[in-house]
Amino acid sequence: AQSVTQLGSHVSVSEGALVLLRCNYSSSVPPYLFWYVQYPNQGLQLLLKYTSAATLVKGINGFEAEFKKSETSFHLTKPSAHMSDAAEYFCAVRNQAGTALIFGKGTTLSVSS
Amino acid sequence: NAGVTQTPKFQVLKTGQSMTLQCAQDMNHEYMSWYRQDPGMGLRLIHYSVGAGITDQGEVPNGYNVSRSTTEDFPLRLLSAAPSQTSVYFCASSQDTREQYFGPGTRLTVT
Repeated sequence: AQSVTQLGSHVSVSEGALVLLRCNYSSSVPPYLFWYVQYPNQGLQLLLKYTSAATLVKGINGFEAEFKKSETSFHLTKPSAHMSDAAEYFCAVRNQAGTALIFGKGTTLSVSS
Repeated sequence: NAGVTQTPKFQVLKTGQSMTLQCAQDMNHEYMSWYRQDPGMGLRLIHYSVGAGITDQGEVPNGYNVSRSTTEDFPLRLLSAAPSQTSVYFCASSQDTREQYFGPGTRLTVT
């Protein structure tokens, strides 16, 4: 069965610092992996996705993620945090039937000046 | 192209009342899903549909019904609301294995 674990429910960084949000997955089939961002009182917006092509995936707003099969990880990074990056971030894996997503519990990113 | 729309945005119900959360998409997507979001729990799948007339249960289906009579619409019905159903509800649609597109959500409070 598919599952997602996000390490750290809350991450705090300073503006300009590296952002690293951790995601590990479990999947019985080759995974399709996603990162979504949710700003306060809004819906979910896709940041990036891995669908078995390049292992380093670039997304919107300067974010990228690297798929590492040996570590079953799909960590999200951004070289330099901006105040506007403060939000909740969700990692997700497509379910085995390909009909829906299984989400991690989310990581709240805080950015201080 | 409105994407995925949900109504209402906010709703307060009393325990035992019933209501329907509406979801519509104009992208001709085959797959539609309902999730609930609770603090510290992420999003959990309630029900999903792979096409008109075809629905199935997700992780947390109890207390909810769905139907899919058209490709565009996927309403979620609460038969007898309970305080445990206080949550934010998101509808999503997708085509095949591509990413899901989410609606803006419905914030439901059951007193």
